[in-house]
Amino acid sequence: EAGVVQSPRYKIIEKKQPVAFWCNPISGHNTLYWYRQNLGQGPELLIRYENEEAVDDSQLPKDRFSAERLKGVDSTLKIQPAELGDSAVYLCASSSRGGGSYEQYFGPGTRLTVT
Amino acid sequence: AQSVTQLDSHVSVSEGTPVLLRCNYSSSYSPSLFWYVQHPNKGLQLLLKYTSAATLVKGINGFEAEFKKSETSFHLTKPSAHMSDAAEYFCTCTPSGYSTLTFGKGTMLLVSP
Repeated sequence: EAGVVQSPRYKIIEKKQPVAFWCNPISGHNTLYWYRQNLGQGPELLIRYENEEAVDDSQLPKDRFSAERLKGVDSTLKIQPAELGDSAVYLCASSSRGGGSYEQYFGPGTRLTVT
Repeated sequence: AQSVTQLDSHVSVSEGTPVLLRCNYSSSYSPSLFWYVQHPNKGLQLLLKYTSAATLVKGINGFEAEFKKSETSFHLTKPSAHMSDAAEYFCTCTPSGYSTLTFGKGTMLLVSP
């Protein structure tokens, strides 16, 4: 079975530029997560989707970040405009259902560098 | 609210010696607990999980962890380290029935020949 796919793997942009990340979850997984992992830290949840509905976006900086999951399959996370502090690895994960007992499968991440 | 504390940022062992990675949690509810491993430039991979069944949990690659409620701990162990175990390990928890994982800051495991 194919895993969680993310693209691009690496992105370097100048501050104030926009950037977008794409995630394709494991087929049949209804729950999709976006995490941000700063250097030397554990991942922190940005947003969680159940199908196409964002059910937890309390940690998403909504002034510059946006996300969508049209049709409840793949998802896009956007930053506009990017700031130096946004440099991090952005991880996408999916699970068959929500709930703590369901394993989350992670993609390889997108490493963003803002200069 | 829940939190996870990984007590060591780095652990160094020799190949063939035991591994102990320590994790303490704080949760208002009965938690589900997980250990994930992250190799360089790879996604996180689940090693094992505790979800209120047996307190001693066996995972992949010879790892196991014991849930100790009285000590609020979920330490990860392996009897004999292998070079391929060198990676970063994350302890996470979530209140039972919830989805949002709270990650620790990670422990980097270094394995020397």
